[in-house]
Amino acid sequence: EVQLLESGGGLVQPGGSLRLSCAASGFTFNGFAMSWVRQAPGKGLEWVSVIYSGGSSTYYTDSVKGRFTISRDNSKNTLYLQMNSLRVEDTAVYYCVKTMGVIDFDYWGQGTLVTVSS
Amino acid sequence: QTVVTQEPSLTVSPGGTVTLTCASSTGAVTSGYYPNWFQQKPGQAPRSLIYSTSNKQSWTPARFSGSLLGDKAALTLSGVQPEDEAEYYCLLYYGGARVFGGGTKLTVL
Repeated sequence: EVQLLESGGGLVQPGGSLRLSCAASGFTFNGFAMSWVRQAPGKGLEWVSVIYSGGSSTYYTDSVKGRFTISRDNSKNTLYLQMNSLRVEDTAVYYCVKTMGVIDFDYWGQGTLVTVSS
Repeated sequence: QTVVTQEPSLTVSPGGTVTLTCASSTGAVTSGYYPNWFQQKPGQAPRSLIYSTSNKQSWTPARFSGSLLGDKAALTLSGVQPEDEAEYYCLLYYGGARVFGGGTKLTVL
């Protein structure tokens, strides 16, 4: 059974940093690209970033470029999102999402809430 | 700034058929955009329904189908059930980046 368990969310002040983790199990982690998707309170889904299986290729939505860094540790079956220079508008539930190869999504975690507020 | 557009809301009667669409500001949506469709109910994580335009996940009910309709991607629900009331999102692939549509709130009434 595929499981994705996010952690690391919490309350942080504007300008602060936070690192999210996603522990994966039930599949061959190093064979699949992984994404982060977020959802602000009462709003729609927003794709944030993707990292391909080897970790060498990454992409970001424009609003987080230069501030967020996606990474993975295939030896630990864990996906990360380092978030720096956080803004109030980064407040959201952050979901870890598995792809079926590179492009198509299949499994979602339950999400972790990040609140950026003073 | 690429924008993906969905109908904000639709209403359908139980047992009826409804089609949700997904348009791209860059032009016609083709299979090369790998349209994905997701369902989200209040308080829950999204759930994948359709990938690569028309392929169903193993858990996707048969009444859901995906296609290309004109210059858009489409999700059709045939024989709608009350439990299909939810928010539906499409996702398009832009050669690296991905963009979600704004979502369609489907009401079953």
